[in-house]
Amino acid sequence: QKEVEQDPGPLSVPEGAIVSLNCTYSNSAFQYFMWYRQYSRKGPELLMYTYSSGNKEDGRFTAQVDKSSKYISLFIRDSQPSDSATYLCAMSESSGGSNYKLTFGKGTLLTVNP
Amino acid sequence: GAGVSQSPRYKVAKRGQDVALRCDPISGHVSLFWYQQALGQGPEFLTYFQNEAQLDKSGLPSDRFFAERPEGSVSTLKIQRTQQEDSAVYLCASSILGGDTEAFFGQGTRLTVV
Repeated sequence: QKEVEQDPGPLSVPEGAIVSLNCTYSNSAFQYFMWYRQYSRKGPELLMYTYSSGNKEDGRFTAQVDKSSKYISLFIRDSQPSDSATYLCAMSESSGGSNYKLTFGKGTLLTVNP
Repeated sequence: GAGVSQSPRYKVAKRGQDVALRCDPISGHVSLFWYQQALGQGPEFLTYFQNEAQLDKSGLPSDRFFAERPEGSVSTLKIQRTQQEDSAVYLCASSILGGDTEAFFGQGTRLTVV
């Protein structure tokens, strides 16, 4: 079993839909949680970064962390065709350890249809 | 520079050939990372530099893989005697400091071993 599990999809939604993306993890040492967006043939770019359990909102994006369930989510409201990409969750351990090393999920391919 | 720059963007190598992949990090960034992304997978950690010091090379798949950053800026990932299983996108990332600062990724080098 991998440390981080992510449903690869693909996920296809109509424009304006609410999208929910999820990851589960097994390593209790993970303390930093990130969501990256990767367009085809591009490098990943950071969307959201959270440390604690709870919600963090940035525009149309909301990141949610539930450490007790080892479950993180990314919600995209009012999805746009330009949101079509692969979404990768990533995690790292707490400071003082291997906090520089990101462990990624497999990525979920999202298509938003106009 | 404006972002992390990697060259070449694409490399085709015959099995058994040696290859060298270059990464120019963002100017002033202390930390540099290499990741390997196989088709349909998330990136996997290879190695980490802080300035010129290679602090973690635990993710390098075999002793055919070697990375260096001699002057604490540009880095080279070298793969000797390439095998078909080495075919992947090799991503370089840099950050100002360590793990709790944002890592910026380059576009990657797509290596195909034939």
